[in-house]
Amino acid sequence: DAMVIQNPRYQVTQFGKPVTLSCSQTLNHNVMYWYQQKSSQAPKLLFHYYDKDFNNEADTPDNFQSRRPNTSFCFLDIRSPGLGDAAMYLCATSGPRDRYTDTQYFGPGTRLTVL
Amino acid sequence: QQQVKQSPQSLIVQKGGISIINCAYENTAFDYFPWYQQFPGKGPALLIAIRPDVSEKKEGRFTISFNKSAKQFSLHIMDSQPGDSATYFCAATVVTGGGNKLTFGTGTQLKVEL
Repeated sequence: DAMVIQNPRYQVTQFGKPVTLSCSQTLNHNVMYWYQQKSSQAPKLLFHYYDKDFNNEADTPDNFQSRRPNTSFCFLDIRSPGLGDAAMYLCATSGPRDRYTDTQYFGPGTRLTVL
Repeated sequence: QQQVKQSPQSLIVQKGGISIINCAYENTAFDYFPWYQQFPGKGPALLIAIRPDVSEKKEGRFTISFNKSAKQFSLHIMDSQPGDSATYFCAATVVTGGGNKLTFGTGTQLKVEL
């Protein structure tokens, strides 16, 4: 089945140790998003790619970066994780720019723990 | 202006009852209103969505009611089942030209009791 895949599902890192989270999709969608979701909160958009164009949210810390080497893959890099970065990280995709079908499809998320 | 307000924060409903979650928005530029269902440890999944030119949309036991003049929309879950126990997020979006940016409500934790 076409889907959004995130790896790993659980990631443990140490304070300050760089970590990379991976997202891949088989939907052939041109837009990919990264969200941070903390416990009992709504997902918060960090940034998104429209094709290769990178769009950063104004309040996303510089500590968070992203790469999209091709249509299918997108990576979230956290350069120096702090305790406050412990969260669920969600990848989502959306398709052609038709506002009435431009639905975002979410992956299962990566749960990041910072020790 | 981008905020979407959602209530209640939590909801307990008896099996077979009706669950109602309400959302309100300010930004009249929003033009698509999806609802997402999220189970613990999973990503949000699209449940149902509505456009502002439609006042009601029904899919199975799930219905969205939309009041454009009041800038309010709500999710009704008929014949609620224990399997519906999850967190529900309303959302609103504006097509920006570079992908649609979802503005989420704060979420409602629904528990359906036997």
